[in-house]
Amino acid sequence: DIQMTQSPASLSASLGETVTIECLASEDIYSNLAWYQQKPGKSPQLLIYDASSLQDGVPSRFSGSESGTQYSLEINSLQSEDAATYFCQQHHDYPFTFGSGTKLEIK
Amino acid sequence: QVQLKESGPGLVQPSETLSLTCTVSGFSLTSYSVSWVRQPSGKGPEWMGRMWYDGDTAYNSALKSRLSISRDTSKNQVFLKMNSLQTDDTGTYYCTRDQTEGIDYWGQGVMVTVSS
Repeated sequence: DIQMTQSPASLSASLGETVTIECLASEDIYSNLAWYQQKPGKSPQLLIYDASSLQDGVPSRFSGSESGTQYSLEINSLQSEDAATYFCQQHHDYPFTFGSGTKLEIK
Repeated sequence: QVQLKESGPGLVQPSETLSLTCTVSGFSLTSYSVSWVRQPSGKGPEWMGRMWYDGDTAYNSALKSRLSISRDTSKNQVFLKMNSLQTDDTGTYYCTRDQTEGIDYWGQGVMVTVSS
């Protein structure tokens, strides 16, 4: 199985700041990576697909990038509504696997 | 609009079988694949398996011996059956609509507790 190592597990940042969340794939997943946002008691929502493409309706302060097997989600100009848990998911090979999540707190 | 809704028992006895139904609307099961994903409380999601739009299935090898996914296209429903449940099968179970680039819609989820 492809392992997705996500970091950090949690972070705290202030309004207006920029944060970066990373996922390291255990092998090449050829950009087949998605990022999701999950708020407490809610279902996850797709933010980024194909590593760097913004899902319709998602604010442009969210962006994704990749370098080799390292994938990153950057959130610029943090807003209070960005407080959530973020997950990555590879869909290159079965079983599709998720990162363990990053809980973002807004100070 | 696209909707997926899971239904099924909230409490299952250890060693028994879990049966869940996902009822979809706003799209056709013969055009989109649907997956089951579960999430233990406070943990990351786990992909369980998929019903392809053409009726084929794919399973997480870790669950394959216990898991079965089927569908009834006339009722717009996808079914999950998993046997020999244990306490670590407790969590929220979601059905999802899959695109080639990822999951674009999730159901609201159904909480399943395995306990005697």
